[in-house]
Amino acid sequence: DSGVTQTPKHLITATGQRVTLRCSPRSGDLSVYWYQQSLDQGLQFLIQYYNGEERAKGNILERFSAQQFPDLHSELNLSSLELGDSALYFCASSVVIGDTIYFGEGSWLTVV
Amino acid sequence: DAKTTQPNSMESNEEEPVHLPCNHSTISGTDYIHWYRQLPSQGPEYVIHGLTSNVNNRMASLAIAEDRKSSTLILHRATLRDAAVYYCILNPVRGSKLTFGKGITLSVRP
Repeated sequence: DSGVTQTPKHLITATGQRVTLRCSPRSGDLSVYWYQQSLDQGLQFLIQYYNGEERAKGNILERFSAQQFPDLHSELNLSSLELGDSALYFCASSVVIGDTIYFGEGSWLTVV
Repeated sequence: DAKTTQPNSMESNEEEPVHLPCNHSTISGTDYIHWYRQLPSQGPEYVIHGLTSNVNNRMASLAIAEDRKSSTLILHRATLRDAAVYYCILNPVRGSKLTFGKGITLSVRP
């Protein structure tokens, strides 16, 4: 158990819908990362927050957004969902930027 | 971002040592070398990291070349549980993200 908690573990939704994935980082970790993993793309970095502020952006679509709240938990919002958004979404956290990161077990999103 | 190059796959026999290579010829002086592994249907798991000197922990050893352009992850006695995708990643000391490549898929034969 890495200490990073993600909910929900599995989610099935229809195209065009919107979902929110939630992440609670390890206790004391200030930095949160979101990654997307699909079969053909591998692990893709989406976005990173540090103590509530966005610090780095990767290949995140405009339909996706995220935020980190004052209690340090983070949410990833995915809207206007398409079939190609079906993937495993990982949250990870670290104490500070550049430190070792610890991953949650992921949220499986299936868009039908 | 500095890139790493790993073989696509490797096979090993159970209880034998495994050496997983990684090339990172464009590494900069402030890049730490990190290794993560991902077991099937799980999130990536930290294995080990180092800067210049060889490192050991309970999971593995990391051997870093003197010029730092390559490194080798050593599993001293492979078990079936070690079958996973292993990622070699460069992590700048003040870096803001970890970029994962395709990794190397390790298969362990009983």
